[in-house]
Amino acid sequence: GDSVTQMEGPVTLSEEAFLTINCTYTATGYPSLFWYVQYPGEGLQLLLKATKADDKGSNKGFEATYRKETTSFHLEKGSVQVSDSAVYFCALGGGGADGLTFGKGTHLIIQP
Amino acid sequence: DTAVSQTPKYLVTQMGNDKSIKCEQNLGHDTMYWYKQDSKKFLKIMFSYNNKELIINETVPNRFSPKSPDKAHLNLHINSLELGDSAVYFCASSQDLRGHGNTIYFGEGSWLTVV
Repeated sequence: GDSVTQMEGPVTLSEEAFLTINCTYTATGYPSLFWYVQYPGEGLQLLLKATKADDKGSNKGFEATYRKETTSFHLEKGSVQVSDSAVYFCALGGGGADGLTFGKGTHLIIQP
Repeated sequence: DTAVSQTPKYLVTQMGNDKSIKCEQNLGHDTMYWYKQDSKKFLKIMFSYNNKELIINETVPNRFSPKSPDKAHLNLHINSLELGDSAVYFCASSQDLRGHGNTIYFGEGSWLTVV
């Protein structure tokens, strides 16, 4: 079945550091890929998505590129802020009733 | 305007009780879901509904009974609550079953604690 693997963390960085959170996937067919973010005590928010190979999703300074050849969708940001501290989930979905398959989440802590 | 809203946000109850969580979406979507997030933050789908019809039931105990009175609402009723039911329950919706790349929109979660 489909699966998503991401680094679990916690990942601790200083403010203005470069961020990479790795995500790789296994899927049949050609799924869409997503990054969701969960701030402390809140629900899940869509951060960005990509629906086909070589697409780049971007939002709020975050980027991720759908790499079919390496089955990856790594999340990057050039300069993180304290307000980026949250749990980040990589997910894949092929459409349909199965919804999304999530990775285990990466807890990101940004220190001032 | 909240797209997917669920109530209550926090719920503390005793073992053996029955409780419900309500969910409504105002996005005009056909498909709704319930997800469970455990203490390690792992998210797993429980149910999916399309136009009020159950599509997926992911080996959830039959103490959990979803009900969809119309396509904008998907409520979750839990009987005989157990300690292991303590989790965050997320309601979600997406446009329909057909669209590749459809975004799934989540509610803010309901934090259930069974004592």
